[in-house]
Amino acid sequence: GNSVTQMEGPVTLSEEAFLTINCTYTATGYPSLFWYVQYPGEGLQLLLKATKADDKGSNKGFEATYRKETTSFHLEKGSVQVSDSAVYFCALRELTGGGNKLTFGTGTQLKVEL
Amino acid sequence: DAGVTQSPTHLIKTRGQHVTLRCSPISGHKSVSWYQQVLGQGPQFIFQYYEKEERGRGNFPDRFSARQFPNYSSELNVNALLLGDSALYLCASSDLAGPRVHGELFFGEGSRLTVL
Repeated sequence: GNSVTQMEGPVTLSEEAFLTINCTYTATGYPSLFWYVQYPGEGLQLLLKATKADDKGSNKGFEATYRKETTSFHLEKGSVQVSDSAVYFCALRELTGGGNKLTFGTGTQLKVEL
Repeated sequence: DAGVTQSPTHLIKTRGQHVTLRCSPISGHKSVSWYQQVLGQGPQFIFQYYEKEERGRGNFPDRFSARQFPNYSSELNVNALLLGDSALYLCASSDLAGPRVHGELFFGEGSRLTVL
């Protein structure tokens, strides 16, 4: 079956530090890959996505590149802000079957301090 | 436009009771999915409904059921509640982005269920 593995948190960084959150996946087909963010007390928001190998998703200074050879989709940001503090979820969606089921990782909590 | 709305936002039940959670999708979206998010974990897929038909079911017991109404809103029902059912229940809506291809999932803020 499909699965997503994320680095465990919490990750604590100083403002303006470089961020990497690792994500690797296992899938039988050709999945689309996503990063979602969950701010305290809120639902999930789509941060970025990539639908095929070598695609780079980007949004709000965050980037992730779909690496089929390493089955990875690591999230990066060059300079984090206190407002980036949240839980980040990596997820995949299989393209077959026509459904819209997402398989999520366990989430990585990011804390950014001044 | 309103996003995905869920009700109630918080509720407390005791073991053995029944609960009904409600979700209204974004206007124009015909697909509703339900996810369970246990504290400290990622969301787990429960159901997807599209055009009032079940299109997917996750690995959850028969105590969990759902339905979608003609206006595309949805209910999730859980019978015989267990302590382990305590979680944030998320609803997401989407629509087709192409033939048999679903577009982005938009999540509501969730219903937080506590079972005592």
